[in-house]
Amino acid sequence: AQTVTQSQPEMSVQEAETVTLSCTYDTSENNYYLFWYKQPPSRQMILVIRQEAYKQQNATENRFSVNFQKAAKSFSLKISDSQLGDTAMYFCAFCTNSGYALNFGKGTSLLVTP
Amino acid sequence: GAGVSQTPSNKVTEKGKYVELRCDPISGHTALYWYRQSLGQGPEFLIYFQGTGAADDSGLPNDRFFAVRPEGSVSTLKIQRTERGDSAVYLCASSLGGAGDTQYFGPGTRLTVL
Repeated sequence: AQTVTQSQPEMSVQEAETVTLSCTYDTSENNYYLFWYKQPPSRQMILVIRQEAYKQQNATENRFSVNFQKAAKSFSLKISDSQLGDTAMYFCAFCTNSGYALNFGKGTSLLVTP
Repeated sequence: GAGVSQTPSNKVTEKGKYVELRCDPISGHTALYWYRQSLGQGPEFLIYFQGTGAADDSGLPNDRFFAVRPEGSVSTLKIQRTERGDSAVYLCASSLGGAGDTQYFGPGTRLTVL
């Protein structure tokens, strides 16, 4: 079975500060893809960042970066200079090279306060 | 360009009734996915289409659920004899079709079964 665990149900951060969301996963496959999605109250799931497991270099997208530790099966998301608009549910997900469905964690609710 | 659209945005029905949920993927995307998201949970995979055919329907919970994509574009998720436990947000996503390609989500349909 392939699982994704997000151990922080809720987190809070002040505007302009940095926050890290944790994610661990379990798979027996060697080739796979990892994602962080953001889901604001509007329900629309928006891609934040994508990482290919065979790439050593951690992905970055503006204020968002990941710390990908393949041996530890860990894929944390760092948000720098947090903004009020970052308030949302954040889901970690992965899919293997042989299957196309995304496996999601239960999510972390992030609140950015002024 | 236009994103993934889903109709209706909300659907309220009575137990035992039949419902259809529609998804319009991004033009040119050959892969289409349906997920179900219960309150406080991450999305769970239901079915995946590559073109017109269902490439993986292992996530469909039982034979009351069925999905079609007759022309390789629009897809309809059909639920027969609805039960209260079917209440959830049904999300549709599309992608270019390769393994690990980013999936772009629609805003979802909130189904409530009374």
